Amino acid sequence: NAGVTQTPKFRVLKTGQSMTLLCAQDMNHEYMYWYRQDPGMGLRLIHYSVGEGTTAKGEVPDGYNVSRLKKQNFLLGLESAAPSQTSVYFCASSRQAAYEQYFGPGTRLTVT
Amino acid sequence: GDSVTQMEGPVTLSEEAFLTINCTYTATGYPSLFWYVQYPGEGLQLLLKATKADDKGSNKGFEATYRKETTSFHLEKGSVQVSDSAVYFCALPNAGGTSYGKLTFGQGTILTVHP
Repeated sequence: NAGVTQTPKFRVLKTGQSMTLLCAQDMNHEYMYWYRQDPGMGLRLIHYSVGEGTTAKGEVPDGYNVSRLKKQNFLLGLESAAPSQTSVYFCASSRQAAYEQYFGPGTRLTVT
Repeated sequence: GDSVTQMEGPVTLSEEAFLTINCTYTATGYPSLFWYVQYPGEGLQLLLKATKADDKGSNKGFEATYRKETTSFHLEKGSVQVSDSAVYFCALPNAGGTSYGKLTFGQGTILTVHP
């Protein structure tokens, strides 16, 4: 099992550009999450999904959109990137709510 | 709301020293508790977990006991190695409401082990 994978691993964007981060899991988990990690801020939840076709907002959803068209994939989109979105983005999945989450290796995004 | 407080770091130790990283929590009910580890440039890995009071989670020589009376989940290891150098996060999942299992993390403790 590959677990949770993320693509790309690194990306540099100019302000105003758009991009999509892809998360895939092969554990048949229902729940998937997108976090961002910033120095001194810990991990903050951006959006999450409780099943195929569902999405919900987390703590810091502004400027991001998500989609979960297939159970194994969870996409995070930035429509118009801003320097404040420079961060490391982690995807995670879990079998059910309140169970342990399994994390991907992360995507390091820089917006100039 | 739920919260997790970890001891302030960073922590610097010599190889074979004893490690304790304190973690206390505030939560509704009795959620599971987790310790995650993040090695440089990598994602978070589940290190150990405990699902109910008095449970002891253990893995790779690390241990933590779920103490309901003191609302604590301190991480310990008897003899650290250089390879244990990483950031350690205590975490708990929101057990109810609309949070759907969102993990609340402590601020992280940076551990550096010198030979």
